[in-house]
Amino acid sequence: DAGITQSPRHKVTETGTPVTLRCHQTENHRYMYWYRQDPGHGLRLIHYSYGVKDTDKGEVSDGYSVSRSKTEDFLLTLESATSSQTSVYFCAITTGQGTDTQYFGPGTRLTVL
Amino acid sequence: GENVEQHPSTLSVQEGDSAVIKCTYSDSASNYFPWYKQELGKRPQLIIDIRSNVGEKKDQRIAVTLNKTAKHFSLHITETQPEDSAVYFCAAGDGYGNKLVFGAGTILRVKS
Repeated sequence: DAGITQSPRHKVTETGTPVTLRCHQTENHRYMYWYRQDPGHGLRLIHYSYGVKDTDKGEVSDGYSVSRSKTEDFLLTLESATSSQTSVYFCAITTGQGTDTQYFGPGTRLTVL
Repeated sequence: GENVEQHPSTLSVQEGDSAVIKCTYSDSASNYFPWYKQELGKRPQLIIDIRSNVGEKKDQRIAVTLNKTAKHFSLHITETQPEDSAVYFCAAGDGYGNKLVFGAGTILRVKS
């Protein structure tokens, strides 16, 4: 499992509230990613990070922000949740060392009412 | 940017038959093509990948082929078993551990 955990695993919230999802890894991997998964769309990249305080946008970044103040934690924040952000969110890492295989965390199911 | 299309969206096969899933990509700079399997309620798991300097790669009952000229790659599963039933995703990337673009997925059902 490449030492990846996500919290919370399930969350129900109301429209307009802020939400923060956490991805934690234990093996000092440099690259970390946030994806959302929706039926018919596969996995779509929200934001990614290539080091502490180094982040960049993916293809569906609107409405999301990220922070990475420590190597092991990558936080995804929905500043004001909307129903369109109801989804399953996966964090991923690459192990580096000449490989670019991405390994995924267990996922967080977010429901915005 | 890169765009990946995956077909078919659903595939039903009889146990023991072969299954083929095809993907096309748009960016000729892409050079890394992984395939993931996702069981219901679980995380995507890498099953095989291929890089653009290789035309085919096999791992037991699973194989991937790549045609760089046509910009398409395919997953082949032989002697399918019920436990192969899952959603399969293809992806394309630039090979630098950066962004992957995923296809929309194929639901594979293996009937026993």
